[in-house]
Amino acid sequence: EPEVTQTPSHQVTQMGQEVILRCVPISNHLYFYWYRQILGQKVEFLVSFYNNEISEKSEIFDDRFSVERPDGSNFTLKIRSTKLEDSAMYFCASRQGLGSYEQYFGPGTRLTVT
Amino acid sequence: AQRVTQPEKLLSVFKGAPVELKCNYSYSGSPELFWYVQYSRQRLQLLLRHISRESIKGFTADLNKGETSFHLKKPFAQEEDSAMYYCALLDSNYQLIWGAGTKLIIKP
Repeated sequence: EPEVTQTPSHQVTQMGQEVILRCVPISNHLYFYWYRQILGQKVEFLVSFYNNEISEKSEIFDDRFSVERPDGSNFTLKIRSTKLEDSAMYFCASRQGLGSYEQYFGPGTRLTVT
Repeated sequence: AQRVTQPEKLLSVFKGAPVELKCNYSYSGSPELFWYVQYSRQRLQLLLRHISRESIKGFTADLNKGETSFHLKKPFAQEEDSAMYYCALLDSNYQLIWGAGTKLIIKP
């Protein structure tokens, strides 16, 4: 059964550096999402992406954040000038669309900013 | 405001006992509600969707619009049910709004 994959599983970076979190959604899915979960807190929506553009974004998704689908398979989240408070688990999800509401999640990338 | 509330951070029951994980929501439109489960070291996965009215792994959840609730129930808990359970609401922009999650521990 196809799955969403994410790399790396754990990323450690120094404050102020840039990180790129990678996701490979399920191949026939059209809608893509990033969520984050700070340790001990609830899952929070960051951004949704469809037809090569951002559909919606939350207040968390400030101008340090960007998403890209550079080719037909990858969906990346870039965070510039990382802050300590960016430390969290980042989940990618994809949805087929066309009347299907289920979002399929990747295993997550744990980002630690030191 | 759109909100999902799971009042219990932790629920611990004995194997064979009934389980009820509470979820309340606040939403102005017609809600679409889900339960997601995350087993230890695994990804989030969809357990139930209210529209489908299925029973998955013995779990059921009924949408009660009067009480704005979508509680998850299972009559007889099994040890493999131990996991984090998240209630989520799909808003009009197809974003999931999440509850804080309930950690369910099934004691042998």
